Amino acid sequence: GNSVTQMEGPVTLSEEAFLTINCTYTATGYPSLFWYVQYPGEGLQLLLKATKADDKGSNKGFEATYRKETTSFHLEKGSVQVSDSAVYFCALPRTGNQFYFGTGTSLTVIP
Amino acid sequence: EAQVTQNPRYLITVTGKKLTVTCSQNMNHEYMSWYRQDPGLGLRQIYYSMNVEVTDKGDVPEGYKVSRKEKRNFPLILESPSPNQTSLYFCASSLAGVVNEQFFGPGTRLTVL
Repeated sequence: GNSVTQMEGPVTLSEEAFLTINCTYTATGYPSLFWYVQYPGEGLQLLLKATKADDKGSNKGFEATYRKETTSFHLEKGSVQVSDSAVYFCALPRTGNQFYFGTGTSLTVIP
Repeated sequence: EAQVTQNPRYLITVTGKKLTVTCSQNMNHEYMSWYRQDPGLGLRQIYYSMNVEVTDKGDVPEGYKVSRKEKRNFPLILESPSPNQTSLYFCASSLAGVVNEQFFGPGTRLTVL
């Protein structure tokens, strides 16, 4: 069945460093792919999504490209800020409105 | 403001004492869901509801009950809580349709002693 595998954390970076969080998926066909972010003390919120293969989702300086050849949807940001410290979840739709969520990658950005 | 609210935000209780965590959304969403978040396990779905009076089990439903009598509310009931239900719980809602964004509540941190 469908599933997502996300790189384990935690990840600690200095401000302005480059960020990559890996996510690979297993799915039938080409479903939409999502990244959610959870800031400290809050619920998850949608960060970006891509609805078809080769699409690039982007938001708040983050980008992710839907690569069907490598079944990946890695999250990247060129220059992280302290305010990006959060937990990031890769997600893949399953039946109906349900989602498979990755285990989450905790990011801490230090000044 | 469009939002999903949960109450309480924090709860400490004892084994066997029935409790209810409320969830309410003001976006007229058909779909609502409950998740629990545990370290190293990510989010796991407990129950979901596609619309009023329609509920179904998720991946970890044991020990939980839900009801959907009104579109806006989706309470989570623990009839006899046990320590292994200590967790962070999230309610979420969305419009019907597989690619729709899910909106999450702020979470309820439950500790069962």
